[in-house]
Amino acid sequence: DAGVTQSPTHLIKTRGQHVTLRCSPISGHKSVSWYQQVLGQGPQFIFQYYEKEERGRGNFPDRFSARQFPNYSSELNVNALLLGDSALYLCASSWSTGGGEAFFGQGTRLTVV
Amino acid sequence: RKEVEQDPGPFNVPEGATVAFNCTYSNSASQSFFWYRQDCRKEPKLLMSVYSSGNEDGRFTAQLNRASQYISLLIRDSKLSDSATYLCVVYTNSNSGYALNFGKGTSLLVTP
Repeated sequence: DAGVTQSPTHLIKTRGQHVTLRCSPISGHKSVSWYQQVLGQGPQFIFQYYEKEERGRGNFPDRFSARQFPNYSSELNVNALLLGDSALYLCASSWSTGGGEAFFGQGTRLTVV
Repeated sequence: RKEVEQDPGPFNVPEGATVAFNCTYSNSASQSFFWYRQDCRKEPKLLMSVYSSGNEDGRFTAQLNRASQYISLLIRDSKLSDSATYLCVVYTNSNSGYALNFGKGTSLLVTP
C-alpha cells in the first residue's frame, strides 16, 4: 500500500507568488492535516480536514488556505509568499480526527527567494 | 506560552547509556499523547503512544502524568541507530478545533 504522498518534493518560488501543495492520504484515511516545519523547530499545525470539512486551524494568516476533495486528497494554498514561508510542509493522514496515529508524507520543501 | 515544551537538548550520550527526555503541555484538556521520532531531513514517525499507566516497548518507556501535565521518554541501552530528534506531541480539541501540537524536539546523538 502506498503511504502518504506529497507533490512536489521541492519548489522554489519568488516573493509575492502563489503556491499549491498537494497531498494524497493513505487509502481509507479520511483526515488530512498540514504542518509547517522550519529548520530546527518542530512541525507547526496549520489545518486539519475531515470528510472535506475544516476541523482545525492553527495560528496562520489568511494567506494560507486548504481544501479536501471527495477522494480525501488535499491541497494547501499559500498566497503572497514571504521569505518566512520557506519551510518543509508536511501532510499527515489518519483514520479520523480522534487523536490516533498520524502518518506523514515526506513533505514539500518550499524555498521563497 | 507554547502548547508543548521540551528539553532543549542536544543530548550526546555514549552507546549503552540511559537517557531521559521530558515534556510539559499547557492544555489540561489535551486528550492523547505521543512521542514521534524524526530522522534528519525525513518525516516524523510515531515512536509510541503515551498512557497514564505508562507503557514500554523494548528499550523505550513512556510515562504520562496528567496532574502535572508532564510526559517523559526513557531510552535504555542506547544504540547508534537511536540518534534522531524526538518530538513530544499532544492531541487537543480546542477553540481552533482538533490539532496535533508538536514540541520543538530534542536532538539525541549516540556516539560509539
